[in-house]
Amino acid sequence: EIVLTQSPGTLSLSPGEGATLSCRASQSVSSSSLAWYQQKPGQAPRLLIYGASRRATGIPDRFSGSGSGTDFTLTIGRLEPEDFAVYYCQQYGSSPPINFGQGTRLEIK
Amino acid sequence: EVQLLESGGALVQPGGSLRLSCAASGFVFSDYAMSWVRQAPGKGLEWVSAINSDSTSTFYADSVKGRFTISRDNSKTTVYLQMNSLRVEDTAVYHCARQLGYCSTGSCYFDFWGQGALVTVSS
Repeated sequence: EIVLTQSPGTLSLSPGEGATLSCRASQSVSSSSLAWYQQKPGQAPRLLIYGASRRATGIPDRFSGSGSGTDFTLTIGRLEPEDFAVYYCQQYGSSPPINFGQGTRLEIK
Repeated sequence: EVQLLESGGALVQPGGSLRLSCAASGFVFSDYAMSWVRQAPGKGLEWVSAINSDSTSTFYADSVKGRFTISRDNSKTTVYLQMNSLRVEDTAVYHCARQLGYCSTGSCYFDFWGQGALVTVSS
């Protein structure tokens, strides 16, 4: 079973700054099969990135994903007020179970 | 526009049963596998169950296997989750999600989600 560990647990930044969120897997994730989701309070999660670096439809280009193997990164170029949310990673390159990371909370400083 | 609308959430006693529904619109429902993903209060996301597009294959997390049953009605563009023998630890918001890939091999992710239905298991 692949365990995903996200860091930091909470990230405090100001609008306009850049953000870097990490997702580390306990084993190599095959074919860069990693997705990132954004969730705001009381809302449905939204797919941001799949295939480690491919933006989902309608996602602004300030969101970018990178990485391979065991280390993956979600980068947000210049934070907009609507970007403050919780972010989850999920790997889909190995046998079940289907696991998510525990989340990173991005809060306004 | 893809829309997923869950219903059926309620307060239920331990050992009780509940059926959730998820009405889908804005896409060809019968072309897609669907999943349920839950989120306990203040916690992260936990995948629960998946069903393929024609109901010939279903898959469950170990935590719900033998207690929950997923099904779908393509004529009604609706997916269901029948939950029996409910436990306190099943308390969560249950989201339905449109699935890409195959959860049976671990190779699935989710491109659209509903807002969820709250299930509270308490005496």
